[in-house]
Parts: sequence; structure tokens; C-alpha cells
Amino acid sequence: AQKVTQAQTEISVVEKEDVTLDCVYETRDTTYYLFWYKQPPSGELVFLIRRNSFDEQNEISGRYSWNFQKSTSSFNFTITASQVVDSAVYFCALSDSPGTSGTYKYIFGTGTRLKVLA
Amino acid sequence: DAGVIQSPRHEVTEMGQEVTLRCKPISGHDYLFWYRQTMMRGLELLIYFNNNVPIDDSGMPEDRFSAKMPNASFSTLKIQPSEPRDSAVYFCASSLADSEAFFGQGTRLTVV
Repeated sequence: AQKVTQAQTEISVVEKEDVTLDCVYETRDTTYYLFWYKQPPSGELVFLIRRNSFDEQNEISGRYSWNFQKSTSSFNFTITASQVVDSAVYFCALSDSPGTSGTYKYIFGTGTRLKVLA
Repeated sequence: DAGVIQSPRHEVTEMGQEVTLRCKPISGHDYLFWYRQTMMRGLELLIYFNNNVPIDDSGMPEDRFSAKMPNASFSTLKIQPSEPRDSAVYFCASSLADSEAFFGQGTRLTVV
């Protein structure tokens, strides 16, 4: 069975601190996809990144970076120099390959609430 | 571009009443999803459509729940009769094939 674990329920940091959100996944598939979404106070889920199981290169986008390690089944997310606007709930998600269905069916983690204090 | 639009944003209803949640997906997207978010169960997929056809409704909790997509620009999720345990935030999302989903702002349903 597929499973995503986000062990950190809530994290508080002071503005400009770096923060890492952990994500550990379980799957028996050899081809799978990992995602991060942000849920700001306004409620919608905002897509941040998609990564497939064959691409272990780390990715950096501005202040955001992601570390994918198949050896530890982890896909961690780091925010550098955090800002108050980063305050949100962050979800990690797992999907098998779209295959014949043509779409991703997300298994979400329980989310990590990040509070960035001014 | 307008994103996924859901209505209403908030709904309070009495137990036993029928509730209808509405969704307008992003134009051109051929997949539409309904998710439910609760404290106890997190985010879970209820049903998804491809080209207006329901593909997988295995996440629909009970027969009291039904979803339709009469055309490419509109979908409804109906609960009849509603129960207090249905209280949750219901999200609609849409996507292109082999692409990430875009979510609406959700409908917060409270059944009293």
C-alpha cells in the first residue's frame, strides 16, 4: 500500500531562518511521482513541484529547494530565509504512474503547518 | 486565467437536508476531481472524471454521496441526506492528462 508520512505536525520559525519539512513515503511501485502543495490561509492548494522516481536530482527554485533520496524514501522540502508569507500548511503527496488512467491519484500526507514569525 | 471555481465557499445546513456543491474546472482540463479534507482523515479522493465520465468513485463514502459532470465546464457533488459527520472542506480540482492538479478554494460544509 502507498503511504506518505509527514511527521512534523507544526513548525514555528522566526523570519529569515531556514526550515526543512520532512516527507517519507512508502510504495512498491518502481515508477511513481512525488508532489508538494502549499495551502495558504485562503484555503486552496497551490502546486509547488512534481518529481518522478527516476530523477533524483535536487531542485532549487528561488528560496525553495527539494531533496529527493530514494535510499531513504524521502522527499524533503527546504525554505531558505523564510518569510511571513511562507506561513501555510504544506502537503507532500505520492502517486503511481498515470499509466492507462492518464492522471495522478494523490495519496496525501497529513500536512505540516509552518508558522513564520516576524 | 481563472482557476477552479467552487461555490458556495461556506455552507451550513441541518442534518437531513440535501446539499449541492458546485465546481467549474479550468477551461480545457479534461480531468476533474473531488477531494474531501477532514482533521481525522486528511485529504482523500472521492471521485474523478475524465472527459465528463466518472472513472473511479471508490472513494465516495456512501450512497448518500453522488457526483455528476453534465458538461466540461460544470460538476456537482450532492449529499442527500446530509449528516454531521459529513462536515468537512470539499475541494474540486482539475488537470490535463499526465499533469498536476489545480485546486479550487474549497467549500467548507457544516452540518448541524
